[in-house]
Amino acid sequence: NAGVMQNPRHLVRRRGQEARLRCSPMKGHSHVYWYRQLPEEGLKFMVYLQKENIIDESGMPKERFSAEFPKEGPSILRIQQVVRGDSAAYFCASSPPSYGTGELFFGEGSRLTVL
Amino acid sequence: GQQLNQSPQSMFIQEGEDVSMNCTSSSIFNTWLWYKQDPGEGPVLLIALYKAGELTSNGRLTAQFGITRKDSFLNISASIPSDVGIYFCAGRTGTASKLTFGTGTRLQVTL
Repeated sequence: NAGVMQNPRHLVRRRGQEARLRCSPMKGHSHVYWYRQLPEEGLKFMVYLQKENIIDESGMPKERFSAEFPKEGPSILRIQQVVRGDSAAYFCASSPPSYGTGELFFGEGSRLTVL
Repeated sequence: GQQLNQSPQSMFIQEGEDVSMNCTSSSIFNTWLWYKQDPGEGPVLLIALYKAGELTSNGRLTAQFGITRKDSFLNISASIPSDVGIYFCAGRTGTASKLTFGTGTRLQVTL
């Protein structure tokens, strides 16, 4: 799906555990976005990162959620002390550094289930 | 915050029929995108629109960027079974900012 790689595709956690979701953007892309999708709903913006910088985290819950995009390696979305309400599909998207067209290319998502 | 409302929420049509769906916003956007999502997959970009009034086609798909910059529509002509899925509109206000997604239109095509 346009080269954005997400893993794991499926993750099961018990309440209170930590979830780590990884995203490798398309080759040459340096902008990464994370979105959350609840069942039967649209995608909700969480955070926008460039390498080593958080540009916009206005959609991130204030507690338990964090994101990073280090100089080397994939972007990580981390959810601490997961609760049942965190169960959702988490999608990563990337765009090129020139940002010319403004188009985002999405990965296939990571589906988190909290028991 | 910005909201995008899509209508209809769902559609059941017969193969060969044309489909029209639209997206309206309370805010002005300077980019409109239409995505399709299949079950268990990520959204796939169908059409991108960058100027008010722009009309763009991609095969059987045609989309328009409304003159007011607060709406867009997507038409699918001669629908086929593989058109089944959820269609999302998305808008952006600046060149380096997030996309806001609509609520989605679920399309079912019967033979």
